[in-house]
Amino acid sequence: ENVLTQSPGTLSLSPGERATLSCRASRSVTSSYLAWYQQKPGQAPRLLIYGASSRATGIPDRFSGSGSGTDFTLTISRLEPEDFAVYYCQQYGTSPWTFGQGTKVEIK
Amino acid sequence: EVQLVQSAAEVKKPGESLRISCKGSGYSFTSYWITWVRQMPGKGLEWMGAIDPSDSYTYYSPSFQGHVAISADKSINTAYLQWSSLKASDTAMYYCARERASDYWGRGTLVTVSS
Repeated sequence: ENVLTQSPGTLSLSPGERATLSCRASRSVTSSYLAWYQQKPGQAPRLLIYGASSRATGIPDRFSGSGSGTDFTLTISRLEPEDFAVYYCQQYGTSPWTFGQGTKVEIK
Repeated sequence: EVQLVQSAAEVKKPGESLRISCKGSGYSFTSYWITWVRQMPGKGLEWMGAIDPSDSYTYYSPSFQGHVAISADKSINTAYLQWSSLKASDTAMYYCARERASDYWGRGTLVTVSS
């Protein structure tokens, strides 16, 4: 199983600041099949990024994904109030399609 | 409009069986995988498994294999997640989602298992 480790566990930032979230895989992610999701309390997750760097439909361009192999990054260029949430990475290149444990982005 | 409509919340006792459902609409149901994801109270997302509705080929996470069964009925555009004997530790929200990079999600089915 490809274990995904996200860091940091919690990121405390102010609106307008830049957020950088990391996702490290225990094995190379096949074909960069890496996705990022945002989840707010009481809601289902929302797809932000797929294929490591492609934004999903309707996702603002302040969200960007990068990386390959075992190291991936989600960047939020300028935090908006609605961006404070939990973010998960997921690899879907090799079964089981595992999730990271999540990074909480909270208001400082 | 693409929708995944999940069945209502369930309250069960340990040892009971249960099947929850996920009905897709607004797209070709057989063209996309359906994934099941567990979220225990206050915890993260766990990938349980997925099914290709066109031929019912199924992947399971080793963590869930043997404890749950995933199936689909393409004639009614519906996928299922089933337990034959529930445990208290199965208490969680269960989401279905479309495709491997899941672009559409159901609202979740809350399963509570308590004696």
